[in-house]
Amino acid sequence: DTAVSQTPKYLVTQMGNDKSIKCEQNLGHDTMYWYKQDSKKFLKIMFSYNNKELIINETVPNRFSPKSPDKAHLNLHINSLELGDSAVYFCASSHGGPSTDTQYFGPGTRLTVL
Amino acid sequence: DQQVKQNSPSLSVQEGRISILNCDYTNSMFDYFLWYKKYPAEGPTFLISISSIKDKNEDGRFTVFLNKSAKHLSLHIVPSQPGDSAVYFCAASANSGYALNFGKGTSLLVTP
Repeated sequence: DTAVSQTPKYLVTQMGNDKSIKCEQNLGHDTMYWYKQDSKKFLKIMFSYNNKELIINETVPNRFSPKSPDKAHLNLHINSLELGDSAVYFCASSHGGPSTDTQYFGPGTRLTVL
Repeated sequence: DQQVKQNSPSLSVQEGRISILNCDYTNSMFDYFLWYKKYPAEGPTFLISISSIKDKNEDGRFTVFLNKSAKHLSLHIVPSQPGDSAVYFCAASANSGYALNFGKGTSLLVTP
């Protein structure tokens, strides 16, 4: 029983398409995150939700829209995909904020935009 | 602007010896530091953390040292084992925020 799961694991799509990545955690955590790891291997925060409320929104194009239907889910929808969106996207969760609690990561979704 | 830096992209150590991974940070507001370990095709997994009120935290073979004046932390693994071969990420956060700032990672190879 995976603590933080993401689907799909791999996603290959054409430029201009719209796609979604789903994330679910069964840890009972209040906070969920999306990170992007680019080709240079930097792991950067994109969004964070606490109790379904957006608390972090880094400088991310508004083509990216996170949606949290409940505390256990944080999905990432991407409109009009671009080549530069190719990366590995990691979902994570924690009980509280990172200054108080460890973040647990999903296995990642490798997105390739052709 | 990278606030957390891992200047060694890779490190090779013999089995049984000590591995020392280094991390520097620039933001003096950071007060919580973590190390994550990542295997290929998997997400990062938490290894060990340290609060800024401490200068050392130990968990089995893993010890993290924090030098606040130098804005430097290090992870010691002793003895190193082949299963420790992975990419190690240093991360830091400030109490006021919810974001972890990650370094670029150091790839550790432990050879038999």
